[in-house]
Amino acid sequence: GAGVSQSPSNKVTEKGKDVELRCDPISGHTALYWYRQSLGQGLEFLIYFQGNSAPDKSGLPSDRFSAERTGGSVSTLTIQRTQQEDSAVYLCASSLTGGNPIYFGEGSWLTVV
Amino acid sequence: KQEVTQIPAALSVPEGENLVLNCSFTDSAIYNLQWFRQDPGKGLTSLLLIQSSQREQTSGRLNASLDKSSGRSTLYIAASQPGDSATYLCAAFRNDYKLSFGAGTTVTVRA
Repeated sequence: GAGVSQSPSNKVTEKGKDVELRCDPISGHTALYWYRQSLGQGLEFLIYFQGNSAPDKSGLPSDRFSAERTGGSVSTLTIQRTQQEDSAVYLCASSLTGGNPIYFGEGSWLTVV
Repeated sequence: KQEVTQIPAALSVPEGENLVLNCSFTDSAIYNLQWFRQDPGKGLTSLLLIQSSQREQTSGRLNASLDKSSGRSTLYIAASQPGDSATYLCAAFRNDYKLSFGAGTTVTVRA
């Protein structure tokens, strides 16, 4: 596609439910990032994938968060047993390789009620 | 750990005035630095990327400079327009290719 595509764009879920957020990076981009932006806060790094290398998961806030990237393309961020503090915009970005300009999707707005 | 600071947090200028947005970072061993724009309720739009070996980068009315020795980058927007109203964020690439973001400067250009 022309840009980074994320789905769903909006998700309202009940506390305790699991959610999956999807990211489709720009075609040919080997690097993929997930960031989180809470209301009025800066961007918080979550996870970084580069090609077939082991992902850098150092930013995941708890073991309720996980992410995978299948076939070096589409990525899914999963949040288990959602809590109200998980409410945020989850932003995905991709780049040709690490260190090149990164391009963000429009984000998935998650509200946990 | 790389800390990125953007001052001021907010800026309001009349249309036509030039904008100067500041970004400072604590670790001069950055790989690259990228500037973004974020409109309310939207994702981030890439504006410019400056490689660590460059001192500036230009795109249209935008010019970004990088001084690694002083830990600063500046984004200049010439002849501002109301459509330039947005939040501008800078992000420093670390050597592991992760980005550290500043909190942003929210710009309002008054018609």
